[in-house]
Amino acid sequence: DAKTTQPPSMDCAEGRAANLPCNHSTISGNEYVYWYRQIHSQGPQYIIHGLKNNETNEMASLIITEDRKSSTLILPHATLRDTAVYYCIVSGTSYGKLTFGQGTILTVHP
Amino acid sequence: GAVVSQHPSWVICKSGTSVKIECRSLDFQATTMFWYRQFPKQSLMLMATSNEGSKATYEQGVEKDKFLINHASLTLSTLTVTSAHPEDSSFYICSARATPVKTGAYGYTFGSGTRLTVV
Repeated sequence: DAKTTQPPSMDCAEGRAANLPCNHSTISGNEYVYWYRQIHSQGPQYIIHGLKNNETNEMASLIITEDRKSSTLILPHATLRDTAVYYCIVSGTSYGKLTFGQGTILTVHP
Repeated sequence: GAVVSQHPSWVICKSGTSVKIECRSLDFQATTMFWYRQFPKQSLMLMATSNEGSKATYEQGVEKDKFLINHASLTLSTLTVTSAHPEDSSFYICSARATPVKTGAYGYTFGSGTRLTVV
């Protein structure tokens, strides 16, 4: 599976959009981009995933560049409860395991 | 849908004893389950992949005789930490992938984790 690079930490003001970048320059054609988050002492929570098109659900939007070498997770209106570690993971479906990197610690402040 | 239940949520055991952690898929069948370990302020580290009806595949450096994995049914996988020592104290998390796997489908659900403390 391709490796991902994320900034170690980011801050965001409550109510503002949080834009979390992820670099996955070695992604291959059949690999998807997944985003999960982990709130302290809990299991990871699925947020969104995509292949090449931009995706949106009730939690977030995922913007994938045309060359698929990077992506951005957007939380449109961050709340204090969005404070968590956000993981960007690239994985194919042939084997299926998810390998976690260090993620980005997002802190939403009042 | 796609709920994974993990028990216990926390356990304290004496050094030298064994501890079993259960991971159940409640509303779907999971041919594949994954076990992770997470130390404080670190990321999740994949320990092994368990497939229903066959032996688990362990990641490099994980002792298969110490961390016994059994995936006897499509809804249950267990991780047994044998002869536990204080250095095995960690947060253990399971994940299940629904079957059949659709291309690109959201198929990974995580349990809430088990905090193991060995004293």
